[in-house]
This record gives sequence, structure tokens and C-alpha cells, in this order.
Amino acid sequence: AQSVAQPEDQVNVAEGNPLTVKCTYSVSGNPYLFWYVQYPNRGLQFLLKYITGDNLVKGSYGFEAEFNKSQTSFHLKKPSALVSDSALYFCAVRDSYSSASKIIFGSGTRLSIRP
Amino acid sequence: DAMVIQNPRYQVTQFGKPVTLSCSQTLNHNVMYWYQQKSSQAPKLLFHYYDKDFNNEADTPDNFQSRRPNTSFCFLDIRSPGLGDAAMYLCATSRAPEYQETQYFGPGTRLLVL
Repeated sequence: AQSVAQPEDQVNVAEGNPLTVKCTYSVSGNPYLFWYVQYPNRGLQFLLKYITGDNLVKGSYGFEAEFNKSQTSFHLKKPSALVSDSALYFCAVRDSYSSASKIIFGSGTRLSIRP
Repeated sequence: DAMVIQNPRYQVTQFGKPVTLSCSQTLNHNVMYWYQQKSSQAPKLLFHYYDKDFNNEADTPDNFQSRRPNTSFCFLDIRSPGLGDAAMYLCATSRAPEYQETQYFGPGTRLLVL
């Protein structure tokens, strides 16, 4: 079965410090991986995706993610955190067994940036 | 330039009173999805339409139905809402799978059941 795991329910970082939100995956075949962010009472916003190519993927709002095949990880990173980055972050993988573009979400990580 | 629109943003209904949530898209995407999300948990897929083909998830209760009268619109019908159905309902769209693109989400409708 395909899945993603987000081992941390909550990550706390001081503003200006680098941040990492962890994600590991388990898939058969080539992984299509995504990161989404959700602000309170809002829908999910797409941040970035990895399908193929460069292992370092750059996305919206200064975020990037590093695909590591040997460690089956796809951690989300940002060099300098902002208070406005505080939100709920979901890692996701495309369900390759689906006839449509279904995706499987991780459990989510709440990122809290303190001033 | 709204792309996926959900109405209303907040919906209050009574226990057992049917309710319909609406989603529309300006992206001309083939696939439309409905998710249920409870208290900061991961969104749970209820069903999706691939063009006119309806695909129900195995564990979606019969109380939840959907209609897609045309490419742009998709509706979620809850026939007899229970207290446990209070949640955020998210609509999403995507192109056909061969485009290898992501899903685009609407802002969600928060449903309250009294």
C-alpha cells in the first residue's frame, strides 16, 4: 500500500531560523510527491511537487523540498522562517493505482513560528 | 481569478435536514473530488468524478451523494446529516492523470449540524 508519514505532529521554530518539516513515503514505482499548506478555515494550497528530475524542488513562499530516494524522504524546508508560515502542512503522494489523480495525505504537521 | 469556488463558506443545518454543498471550477478540469476534513486531520476522500464517471470510496457512507451536471459544477448532498457529519468539506479539481499535475482546492465549506 502507498502511504506517507509525517512523524511530527507539531514543529516549533523561532522566526528567522531555518525550518524542516519531515515526510517519508512508501510507494511502489516512481513516487509523485506533494506538499500542501492549510491556513485556518481555508482550503489546501499547493506548495510544490516532485515528479522527476532535480532532487531539490523549489516552491511557493520560499519553500523547497529535498527528495531523497535512499531514505525515502521528502522533507520540506525553508532557510528563514516567518511568523506568517505558521499553518498546517500536509505531505502527499499520488496514488499510482488510481485511474484519476487521487492523492494520499499524511496526517499533517502543525508549524508554529514564534516571533 | 478564482479557480475553484465553494458555496456557501459556512453552512448550518439541523440534524436530519438534507443539505447541499456546491463547487464550481473555471479550470475546465476533468476530475472533481470531494473531501471531508475534521479538526485539522488529513482530508478524507469521499468520492470523485472523472468526467461523468462517478467513483465512490469504499468507506463513504450512503448518506453522502454527489452530482455533476456539467464540467464546471459538482454538488455534495448529505441526505440526513448527523452530528458526526459536522466538518470542513473540501472540493478539489485536477486534469486527467497523464498530465501529472496536482489537485487544486477550493476554500472549503464548514458545515455545522445542530
